[in-house]
Amino acid sequence: GENVEQHPSTLSVQEGDSAVIKCTYSDSASNYFPWYKQELGKRPQLIIDIRSNVGEKKDQRIAVTLNKTAKHFSLHITETQPEDSAVYFCAPSPHAGNMLTFGGGTRLMVKP
Amino acid sequence: DTGVSQNPRHKITKRGQNVTFRCDPISEHNRLYWYRQTLGQGPEFLTYFQNEAQLEKSRLLSDRFSAERPKGSFSTLEIQRTEQGDSAMYLCASEGTGNEQFFGPGTRLTVL
Repeated sequence: GENVEQHPSTLSVQEGDSAVIKCTYSDSASNYFPWYKQELGKRPQLIIDIRSNVGEKKDQRIAVTLNKTAKHFSLHITETQPEDSAVYFCAPSPHAGNMLTFGGGTRLMVKP
Repeated sequence: DTGVSQNPRHKITKRGQNVTFRCDPISEHNRLYWYRQTLGQGPEFLTYFQNEAQLEKSRLLSDRFSAERPKGSFSTLEIQRTEQGDSAMYLCASEGTGNEQFFGPGTRLTVL
């Protein structure tokens, strides 16, 4: 089965700084790479995803980069804001439309 | 509300009792997933349906767990003879043609 690891497990940044979270996976068949944000007591919500035929995708302050050869992908958040504080999960999958295997999560704290 | 809904939101039961949870997906979403999330961990896949067909079950899903989606719309997850280790948040997600999994608010189960 897929083995997914995220680093770091916690990340504290000052408002306005950038944050980077890395996800490594083991299954070379993974082709769909989403990132979910989960605020305390709330449901996970998709914030960005990328498919294996693309190396990078940006959506305003959020970007995801993929290195399929090394089997890792990263979440980049620029100009962080206090409302970015949450737990972030990567969840690679063989393809969109299949089960997600979640990493252990990264708790991001953005200090005002 | 056109999102994924789950009932009940909270369930407290005694060890050995049976419990049943319900998930109502977004209308016309043909895929429906069940995940389990314990405190401080990422969601873990349990099972999923395409329409009324149950296509995959995790090894985590012991014989005490059963899920149905009889008409390809709502789904139920039943746990028989509950154990304290079953205490968790049970999350349902639905997916349409866009391949994004939309999560419900979850049912928090506490087994005393």
